[in-house]
Amino acid sequence: DQQVKQNSPSLSVQEGRISILNCDYTNSMFDYFLWYKKYPAEGPTFLISISSIKDKNEDGRFTVFLNKSAKHLSLHIVPSQPGDSAVYFCAASSIRSSNTGKLIFGQGTTLQVKP
Amino acid sequence: EPEVTQTPSHQVTQMGQEVILRCVPISNHLYFYWYRQILGQKVEFLVSFYNNEISEKSEIFDDQFSVERPDGSNFTLKIRSTKLEDSAMYFCASSEKVAGRTEAFFGQGTRLTVV
Repeated sequence: DQQVKQNSPSLSVQEGRISILNCDYTNSMFDYFLWYKKYPAEGPTFLISISSIKDKNEDGRFTVFLNKSAKHLSLHIVPSQPGDSAVYFCAASSIRSSNTGKLIFGQGTTLQVKP
Repeated sequence: EPEVTQTPSHQVTQMGQEVILRCVPISNHLYFYWYRQILGQKVEFLVSFYNNEISEKSEIFDDQFSVERPDGSNFTLKIRSTKLEDSAMYFCASSEKVAGRTEAFFGQGTRLTVV
């Protein structure tokens, strides 16, 4: 069941540059998307979300873009900092789970930001 | 800052034994969840809970699993007869509204090892 896919297991960028993490989905019933960050031995931490009625949401250094026709979303981190090094998960919620809160997660992308 | 607290951080149990994983959600949150992550795999939804009822459960959440909110603060996950394949990191989460329409806050996880 690969409804949410993060095809890049890892990404390495230089401090100060842009990090772009990608996520693809297959379920057309998904209408809300979230990005979580996870450090080792900790739980996922919410970063940013976007509703399907929007194509962009920005919060400080983090921007999420949604391309519904391509069923693709991306997370941009500008500028990247060493403290951003973590595993990033894309998650999605379906209209059918709008009353239950079920989230479907991707496999995660490990981001390394080099000083 | 309010946080979701899980105990214990690590639980080792023998196959066939019952385990109870405990969680204290954020106090004003009304929706509660359990997820798990088997080593090297994605975070998987187990169950969502609202108003003292299960609102949605996954195929993983079979008769061996149960959840309970025994008092006003705790939220537990019980596995009646553990199997080797239950070894995973279990995450509790809570949200003020339905997650997927707002962010869910995750605990730091309980690593369950079944031997």
